[in-house]
Amino acid sequence: DAKTTQPPSMDCAEGRAANLPCNHSTISGNEYVYWYRQIHSQGPQYIIHGLKNNETNEMASLIITEDRKSSTLILPHATLRDTAVYYCIVRVESNFGNEKLTFGTGTRLTIIP
Amino acid sequence: NAGVTQTPKFRILKIGQSMTLQCTQDMNHNYMYWYRQDPGMGLKLIYYSVGAGITDKGEVPNGYNVSRSTTEDFPLRLELAAPSQTSVYFCASSYSRRAPEQFFGPGTRLTVL
Repeated sequence: DAKTTQPPSMDCAEGRAANLPCNHSTISGNEYVYWYRQIHSQGPQYIIHGLKNNETNEMASLIITEDRKSSTLILPHATLRDTAVYYCIVRVESNFGNEKLTFGTGTRLTIIP
Repeated sequence: NAGVTQTPKFRILKIGQSMTLQCTQDMNHNYMYWYRQDPGMGLKLIYYSVGAGITDKGEVPNGYNVSRSTTEDFPLRLELAAPSQTSVYFCASSYSRRAPEQFFGPGTRLTVL
């Protein structure tokens, strides 16, 4: 699986959009981009994933560049409860059913009141 | 649904002791996983299972054993605890290898002294 690079920390004002970048310059054509977050040492929580098209769900939007070498997770109206560590993960579907998620150290997002 | 449950929440072991970390899911998921998370680091896969009776090693399997006799349960066994196994352990499950979302339990914090 391709490696990802994220900034170690970011701040965002409450109510504003939080934009979390991720670089994955060695991504292959069949690798998906996943985002998870971990709130205060709880188990990680799935946010969103995509292959090459932009995606949106009730939690966030995922913008993937045309060359797929980077992506941005957007939390449209950040709240204090969005303070967490955000992990960008690149994963290929395994023919053997190994749904391995390779977690890096992520971005610690702090929402400021 | 309770989702993924783990017991115990906390445990302190002495070097050389053994214990079993319990993991149960009530979502009828075929895939289950064990991860460990060391302080300030991302999660690393220990073992995974694609169904009852089938298990395989992940990234860091040394010092651990697993079994999967039922769809619901996936216990993790530490035979001879070592200080290097001090970590937070997360169990996760997913419906199939094509299901994007892994559901995580709350974790077990283990200290080996």
